[in-house]
Amino acid sequence: ETGVTQTPRHLVMGMTNKKSLKCEQHLGHNAMYWYKQSAKKPLELMFVYNFKEQTENNSVPSRFSPECPNSSHLFLHLHTLQPEDSALYLCASSQEGQGRTEAFFGQGTRLTVV
Amino acid sequence: GESVGLHLPTLSVQEGDNSIINCAYSNSASDYFIWYKQESGKGPQFIIDIRSNMDKRQGQRVTVLLNKTVKHLSLQIAATQPGDSAVYFCAENSRGAQKLVFGQGTRLTINP
Repeated sequence: ETGVTQTPRHLVMGMTNKKSLKCEQHLGHNAMYWYKQSAKKPLELMFVYNFKEQTENNSVPSRFSPECPNSSHLFLHLHTLQPEDSALYLCASSQEGQGRTEAFFGQGTRLTVV
Repeated sequence: GESVGLHLPTLSVQEGDNSIINCAYSNSASDYFIWYKQESGKGPQFIIDIRSNMDKRQGQRVTVLLNKTVKHLSLQIAATQPGDSAVYFCAENSRGAQKLVFGQGTRLTINP
């Protein structure tokens, strides 16, 4: 148990579907992240939220829409995805402002787009 | 530009031997480094970290070495056990940047 919980663990969706990934952190952190992990690629940072404000969007296509209603919850809304979007989506959290950004990760959501 | 890379994508060692996983980085401003372990079906888990004002840091069976001159980081695992089988990632963060840059990962396999 890392203190970061992601649901669902697995998701299969069609290209015309709309779905959402959920992340919740129980660590009292003030920053949350979405990462994409594809086969044979480094972890790719998608979005950063600090104190509920989005501070970074790494040129992510608009078919991925993040939402951070509070510092404990983070969502990734998905619509009209492509098969190449199939990957493991990881949520992470950290406590910013202490000179280090050790991130704690959830188990991830394995997404398959068909 | 920012990039973190690993010398070898796979590493096989005998159970009980020591393992050394290497990582190179290119950002001179990097001042904080982390090693993560990712087992199959799980998210990355923190193993050990080191700040740029240190050359070496030891944990339980693990040691991280930092050579800032050549921008090289290594993770040493002593007396490797079957449970050490995983993909190991190095990550770096530079002062003021609120994100970790990850390397590609090295898959460590333990032979009985």
